[in-house]
Amino acid sequence: SAVISQKPSRDICQRGTSLTIQCQVDSQVTMMFWYRQQPGQSLTLIATANQGSEATYESGFVIDKFPISRPNLTFSTLTVSNMSPEDSSIYLCSVIQGGTDTQYFGPGTRLTVL
Amino acid sequence: AQTVTQSQPEMSVQEAETVTLSCTYDTSESNYYLFWYKQPPSRQMILVIRQEAYKQQNATENRFSVNFQKAAKSFSLKISDSQLGDTAMYFCALTRGSNYKLTFGKGTLLTVNP
Repeated sequence: SAVISQKPSRDICQRGTSLTIQCQVDSQVTMMFWYRQQPGQSLTLIATANQGSEATYESGFVIDKFPISRPNLTFSTLTVSNMSPEDSSIYLCSVIQGGTDTQYFGPGTRLTVL
Repeated sequence: AQTVTQSQPEMSVQEAETVTLSCTYDTSESNYYLFWYKQPPSRQMILVIRQEAYKQQNATENRFSVNFQKAAKSFSLKISDSQLGDTAMYFCALTRGSNYKLTFGKGTLLTVNP
């Protein structure tokens, strides 16, 4: 499976600021996704990152709050904008490689908003 | 809409013993895939095992096996010869064959005691 890295691994931010999380894969992948895991909760899909076009957002998530870019087949960013304490979560990217149906996850970014 | 239910929030087992984690799901799709992921305290989501719905044979991966009952929409995970490193949160997940979006259960926290 692909090797997936995320930066930063953790951060503590002030409310009202924005943070951009990077997801880098060591090989080209077909699909990339972003998930949120709130404290003590399961994972919720934020959006599918589409290469070269706008991301596809799930219900309850909007582009103004969570802008996503995917300039190529190995890299994507998720920005958490105008943060509030409710945005404190683990954010994970996942990928699917061509010809498979299995998602592999990055190590996650733990975000704390004060 | 598809749903995944894990009815056991927490479980514990003695080292070297066998434990079974339960999962039920609901979907109207005929083509879908089921997964078990584990999330240790490091927060990395790790694929444990996958099952294609069209396959009757239960998947196995070393000490991990599933009992897939399609008619009952049940997908339990059996861990044999439990090890301390198996201590983690275990998530059952479901994806449709066409769009790859994962729906997760709420998770079961498994503790392996020495």
